[in-house]
Amino acid sequence: DAGVIQSPRHEVTEMGQEVTLRCKPISGHNSLFWYRQTMMRGLELLIYFNNNVPIDDSGMPEDRFSAKMPNASFSTLKIQPSEPRDSAVYFCASSLARSSGPSYEQYFGPGTRLTVT
Amino acid sequence: LAKTTQPISMDSYEGQEVNITCSHNNIATNDYITWYQQFPSQGPRFIIQGYKTKVTNEVASLFIPADRKSSTLSLPRVSLSDTAVYYCLVGDPRGRRDDKIIFGKGTRLHILP
Repeated sequence: DAGVIQSPRHEVTEMGQEVTLRCKPISGHNSLFWYRQTMMRGLELLIYFNNNVPIDDSGMPEDRFSAKMPNASFSTLKIQPSEPRDSAVYFCASSLARSSGPSYEQYFGPGTRLTVT
Repeated sequence: LAKTTQPISMDSYEGQEVNITCSHNNIATNDYITWYQQFPSQGPRFIIQGYKTKVTNEVASLFIPADRKSSTLSLPRVSLSDTAVYYCLVGDPRGRRDDKIIFGKGTRLHILP
């Protein structure tokens, strides 16, 4: 079985550019999470979806960040405009949610390493 | 307010049993304890989850005392490949809508030859 798929694996962009990160969850999973990891702040939950609906976006740092899940097999995290402080590894995870809240048994993708210069 | 407290780092030697303790004094009645492992340049990997007493799988054991205010992840006979960051999380696996998933900084385990 394919795990969570993320693309691109690495992204280098200049400040002010739009960045789009992509995620394909595990087939059959109905919950999807976006995380950001930095040395300073550790692993932070940005937003999660249940059944394609955003449930908690309180971790999204500011309006420059947006996430969508148009269908059960695809999600995007967009940063517009990007800034150097957005440089981090962004992980997508999926799980099988049994209720409206977040599942604690999640399966993570390999991450996208974003560098904004 | 952090839900859990773990040591920042630990060192051990190959072949030893390693125990990583996590404190969660404010654990709620319906909360479970979940542990993840993260290797460098990879996403975290779910290891084990438990509610009370002891849970064991092919990777690790999880010991939870009666008061549930702490838990211990036990890795038997570690090897160099067990060098990773280990995260302890507490929360309701049935998923309360207002639950917040917090990974914290984890425990950086370094296995020495």
